[in-house]
Amino acid sequence: KAGVTQTPRYLIKTRGQQVTLSCSPISGHRSVSWYQQTPGQGLQFLFEYFSETQRNKGNFPGRFSGRQFSNSRSEMNVSTLELGDSALYLCASSPRRLAGEGPYNEQFFGPGTRLTVL
Amino acid sequence: LAKTTQPISMDSYEGQEVNITCSHNNIATNDYITWYQQFPSQGPRFIIQGYKTKVTNEVASLFIPADRKSSTLSLPRVSLSDTAVYYCLVGDPLGGGNKLTFGTGTQLKVEL
Repeated sequence: KAGVTQTPRYLIKTRGQQVTLSCSPISGHRSVSWYQQTPGQGLQFLFEYFSETQRNKGNFPGRFSGRQFSNSRSEMNVSTLELGDSALYLCASSPRRLAGEGPYNEQFFGPGTRLTVL
Repeated sequence: LAKTTQPISMDSYEGQEVNITCSHNNIATNDYITWYQQFPSQGPRFIIQGYKTKVTNEVASLFIPADRKSSTLSLPRVSLSDTAVYYCLVGDPLGGGNKLTFGTGTQLKVEL
């Protein structure tokens, strides 16, 4: 089975621009989550989508938004970029498991998109 | 969400057993304990998950005492490739959807 894929892998933008990142989950996984990782703040949860609906949201400003399509692929958008948005953005997908089928809430992470804001 | 405390860093040598302990004093009844491993510039990778007592898989063991206020990840016979950051997470995986709260993690450095 192919893993989680994220595009692009690297991106350079300037302040004020907007950016869209894409994530394709593992086939059959309906939950997609996004995380931001920076040296100063570590790994922080952005939001989770399940069946095209946002199910959880982290503590990020409204400039950060996302959506999920019917094929479970997800996009994340950041508008009006700031220098502090420079980070590794990670996407993770998770299967729906019943009791006894394996670890609960196991998330499979993609390689990430490295965003640099100049 | 239960707060976790782990050592910031640990050093070891190839072939040794490494034990990383995580404190989670306010763990709730429905919370599970999960460990992830992360290499530089990669996403975290699931290692092991447990609720109580001992869990073992092909890469690690997880020891959880009866009061569940701490847990210990045990890596047998580490190699250089085990150099990574290890995160302990505590949460109710059956409620609130799939949301992981990562702490600062433990940077494990394995040397020859």
